Amino acid sequence: SYELTQPPSVSVSPGQTARITCSGDALPKQYAYWYQQKPGQAPVLVIYKDSERPSGIPERFSGSSSGTTVTLTISGVQAEDEADYYCQSADSSGTMGVFGGGTKLTVL
Amino acid sequence: QVQLVQSGAEVKKPGASVKVSCKASGYTFTSYDINWVRQATGQGLEWMGWMNPNSGNTGYAQKFQGRVTMTRNTSISTAYMELSSLRSEDTAVYYCARGPGSGWEFDYWGQGTLVTVSS
Repeated sequence: SYELTQPPSVSVSPGQTARITCSGDALPKQYAYWYQQKPGQAPVLVIYKDSERPSGIPERFSGSSSGTTVTLTISGVQAEDEADYYCQSADSSGTMGVFGGGTKLTVL
Repeated sequence: QVQLVQSGAEVKKPGASVKVSCKASGYTFTSYDINWVRQATGQGLEWMGWMNPNSGNTGYAQKFQGRVTMTRNTSISTAYMELSSLRSEDTAVYYCARGPGSGWEFDYWGQGTLVTVSS
């Protein structure tokens, strides 16, 4: 079955830039989406269609795509950004969804 | 405002079935897909499948084929996910999430339903 690969953890100091990658063979064909999840809460969509930001999501969140890798970038990281982040996409047929394994962002 | 409100926690024995509901409000129920995602304690998100409330069409992850059924009652704007032949590994929080149908962005999520499978 199709898989998306994320690093298990990323650590940054406040004010620095955090980059979380997600790799998958079908990413050149399928959009990627990013979710933030804090403990005990449902996930929140922070990026859709590779690089679009939903209303209400701070501008410091951005997304990009290059080949089989997509990247979530958080500029000027704040303590409140500490959370798990999941990428999501679909298989090459576009009919089956998939999530990456998740990345724990730690703000030092 | 858009809301997805799920049914309460369940405790089931191995081999039993569970049916979780997801009541939608604040938008036209038949205009968006409902997806189901689960999360075991301390683990990542796992996509289970989607349902189009207008047509009733469904698509299930291969892992759950034959064990999961997604249905809806449009008169009460409610979607359902039934998982059968439960085993301990099915213990998880189950979420419903709204999707556009033409893409995969899940913009609204239910609060989650804890399903515990234990003898």
